[in-house]
Amino acid sequence: AQSVTQPDIHITVSEGASLELRCNYSYGATPYLFWYVQSPGQGLQLLLKYFSGDTLVQGIKGFEAEFKRSQSSFNLRKPSVHWSDAAEYFCAVALNSGNTPLVFGKGTRLSVIA
Amino acid sequence: DAGITQSPRHKVTETGTPVTLRCHQTENHRYMYWYRQDPGHGLRLIHYSYGVKDTDKGEVSDGYSVSRSKTEDFLLTLESATSSQTSVYFCAITQARDRGDGYTFGSGTRLTVV
Repeated sequence: AQSVTQPDIHITVSEGASLELRCNYSYGATPYLFWYVQSPGQGLQLLLKYFSGDTLVQGIKGFEAEFKRSQSSFNLRKPSVHWSDAAEYFCAVALNSGNTPLVFGKGTRLSVIA
Repeated sequence: DAGITQSPRHKVTETGTPVTLRCHQTENHRYMYWYRQDPGHGLRLIHYSYGVKDTDKGEVSDGYSVSRSKTEDFLLTLESATSSQTSVYFCAITQARDRGDGYTFGSGTRLTVV
C-alpha cells in the first residue's frame, strides 16, 4: 500500500538557521509529490510540487525541495528560517496516473526560537 | 486564491445527533474531497467526489456519508455523531489531479461532539 512517512514529529530551529524536513514515500513508481504548510487555525497552503523534470523544485516563501528517486525522498529545505515559518508542514503524494486522492504524511511541527 | 468556503466554522453537537457540514466552491472544479485532521494522524481522507453524484469512500469513511447534487456543493453528514468524530474537517478541491495540480483547501470546520 502507498504510504508517506515524515519521521520528525517536531523540530525546533533558531531563527536564521537552515531547515530540512524529511519525507519518504513508498510507491511502485515515481508519484506526484507535494509539500503543504498549515499555520495555526488555518487551512493548508501549497508550498511546492514535483511531478517531472528538474529534481530540485522551488516554491513559495523561499522553500525548496529535492526529489531523490534512489532514496524515495522529497525533503523540504530553507536556507534561513524566519519566525513566521513556525507552522505544521505536510508532505503528500499521489500516483501519477488516474485520479487517486492525495495521501498525506502525519506532519512535522516546526518551532522557531530567537 | 480559489473560492472555497466551509460552513459552519465551528460546531458543538451532542452524541447521537446528525450533523451536516458544507463545502462550497466557486471555481467549477470537478474534484472535491473531505479530510479530517487529528493530532498524530495528519489528514485522513473520508470521502471524495469526482463529479456530480459520483462519490467514493476514503480510508475513514465509516459513520460518514456525502452528497454532491451540484458541482459547487459537497456535503458531509455524520449520521449519528460520536465523540470519536470530534475533529477538524477540511474540504479540498482540484480541477484535474492527474495534471499534477495540488489541492486548494478550505479553512476547516472544528466539530466537537459532547
